[in-house]
Amino acid sequence: DAGITQSPRHKVTETGTPVTLRCHQTENHRYMYWYRQDPGHGLRLIHYSYGVKDTDKGEVSDGYSVSRSKTEDFLLTLESATSSQTSVYFCAISGDRDRDSYGYTFGSGTRLTVV
Amino acid sequence: SQQGEEDPQALSIQEGENATMNCSYKTSINNLQWYRQNSGRGLVHLILIRSNEREKHSGRLRVTLDTSKKSSSLLITASRAADTASYFCAAGHQGAQKLVFGQGTRLTINP
Repeated sequence: DAGITQSPRHKVTETGTPVTLRCHQTENHRYMYWYRQDPGHGLRLIHYSYGVKDTDKGEVSDGYSVSRSKTEDFLLTLESATSSQTSVYFCAISGDRDRDSYGYTFGSGTRLTVV
Repeated sequence: SQQGEEDPQALSIQEGENATMNCSYKTSINNLQWYRQNSGRGLVHLILIRSNEREKHSGRLRVTLDTSKKSSSLLITASRAADTASYFCAAGHQGAQKLVFGQGTRLTINP
């Protein structure tokens, strides 16, 4: 998707290991979000950021941490991966204007499998 | 949870027919948005309707909003095979900086 990339696209990891997913944007947008998507649950917000070093929790933040040291990068870390964190993770971005006018732009997702 | 509900969960129609999907939400909103997701891909923003608007059009899409019932509907007219996807509503709640998504409607257009 234009202006936003997620890496890796796919990852398999073992239970108990730390995992970091990266979201990179070239739009200079203020807001960045991490969602997870699971069957029967739709998209649920994990964490979001409203500026460099400014982050807040979403509805399913337990077991996850985030960092944003630069406007363009938002990292999601699973501190000790569990099987319940097997999911598809999406990053999204929006600017101040976009939140009220144009919506979010989503990345292509990271499919994470914890074995 | 503030998560809304979408109805139906799955919809299968013939090409050329109209498709209607409904969304309900729980608390006051600034706007209501609709997104499409093709299999294995990220979500794509389709249309946004503000809380002071009742109806909005974009091409073959028509969105309505009834804030008294806390509900919205998405109508896709003259459906095409390429419209096959999952459709999600997302509520932009007042005082919040984040969207709350519904669970989605899986739409299948049969040729």
